[in-house]
Amino acid sequence: DAEITQSPRHKITETGRQVTLACHQTWNHNNMFWYRQDLGHGLRLIHYSYGVHDTNKGEVSDGYSVSRSNTEDLPLTLESAASSQTSVYFCASSENSGRASGELFFGEGSRLTVL
Amino acid sequence: AQKITQTQPGMFVQEKEAVTLDCTYDTSDPSYGLFWYKQPSSGEMIFLIYQGSYDQQNATEGRYSLNFQKARKSANLVISASQLGDSAMYFCAMREPFNGNQFYFGTGTSLTVIP
Repeated sequence: DAEITQSPRHKITETGRQVTLACHQTWNHNNMFWYRQDLGHGLRLIHYSYGVHDTNKGEVSDGYSVSRSNTEDLPLTLESAASSQTSVYFCASSENSGRASGELFFGEGSRLTVL
Repeated sequence: AQKITQTQPGMFVQEKEAVTLDCTYDTSDPSYGLFWYKQPSSGEMIFLIYQGSYDQQNATEGRYSLNFQKARKSANLVISASQLGDSAMYFCAMREPFNGNQFYFGTGTSLTVIP
């Protein structure tokens, strides 16, 4: 079965360190997204990609970067982790059909704590 | 302006009763999709139901139905015969395929089913 996996599932790091969260999907979807989930804010879009070598900033992109070197992977990097980036991070993918249908498929989430 | 608004931070319902979770949306595009996701305490995001802007009938999936009122821009989720396992966070989301093709999420409603 196709799936989308994130690693690590849990990480504790220190302020100022670089952190990379991995996301791998086997749906062969062109569209991939990174969200963060915080209480009272729902899911907020960090970065997204519509295909290889394509990346775009979402509403809360400061302090984060992504790269898309192949269809399957969209790693999220925190260049210098800050306590405000303590959150649960979700990777998601969707088909690129140009239609409104086609739901988001989510990874299991990665809980990041920045001390 | 918020693309998706969920005004009920928390809801309670008696087991076996029906409950309606509210969602309003904001778009000027004629083509869009509306989605509901469930997030149990375990954290994963589970797709529940989809409604397209051109769909004439309200979507139904088992005990879930979507009360789609296009003129009012509302897409309320109705859960019939609530079960204890329905206790979770519920997120409403919208996709605009011709406006960035992103998914916008509301802040969620926490539903608690009382035995």
